[in-house]
Amino acid sequence: DTAVSQTPKYLVTQMGNDKSIKCEQNLGHDTMYWYKQDSKKFLKIMFSYNNKELIINETVPNRFSPKSPDKAHLNLHINSLELGDSAVYFCASSQAGDAEAFFGQGTRLTVV
Amino acid sequence: AQSVSQHNHHVILSEAASLELGCNYSYGGTVNLFWYVQYPGQHLQLLLKYFSGDPLVKGIKGFEAEFIKSKFSFNLRKPSVQWSDTAEYFCAVKNYGQNFVFGPGTRLSVLP
Repeated sequence: DTAVSQTPKYLVTQMGNDKSIKCEQNLGHDTMYWYKQDSKKFLKIMFSYNNKELIINETVPNRFSPKSPDKAHLNLHINSLELGDSAVYFCASSQAGDAEAFFGQGTRLTVV
Repeated sequence: AQSVSQHNHHVILSEAASLELGCNYSYGGTVNLFWYVQYPGQHLQLLLKYFSGDPLVKGIKGFEAEFIKSKFSFNLRKPSVQWSDTAEYFCAVKNYGQNFVFGPGTRLSVLP
């Protein structure tokens, strides 16, 4: 069983469109995250959710909105996509406290 | 704010050579430290972690890391690399209640 799963794996879309990336974890973790990995492999935190509450929201455009219907899911919705949004987006989860994070397979978003 | 630096952007080694990848962090309090590996086209996987106790930590695939508190360092080592170790390596820190902060990554290329 995949611990942290994301869909889709690849997403190609035009500028201005709205898209969502889904993430589910079956580890029973309390905290979920979204990271953006740019073309230089740099990983930047976008959001984290703890028990359905947003606890950290870095300086990302408000076109990005996380949605968590329950503790096991943290979806990422993006409005009005721009070329600069092209990247690999990783979902991750961890247990409360200082446990390690488990990562999903990533979603490669290409905006054309 | 915490920050993580990794000394080398790209390391090229021949098989059987020894490896050491540098990692330094800026936070002065108690932190947990991690090394993750990202094989080409894949997600991040945990290599090893340090929470407390013995500062020499052993991980999977023959990797180890040493935490030196006075130097704010957590360097990754492997005595003899293999071609299959070709990947991107990320150092990360986390303190309680905060996010994981990742370093910029070090690309390791192992020549057969």
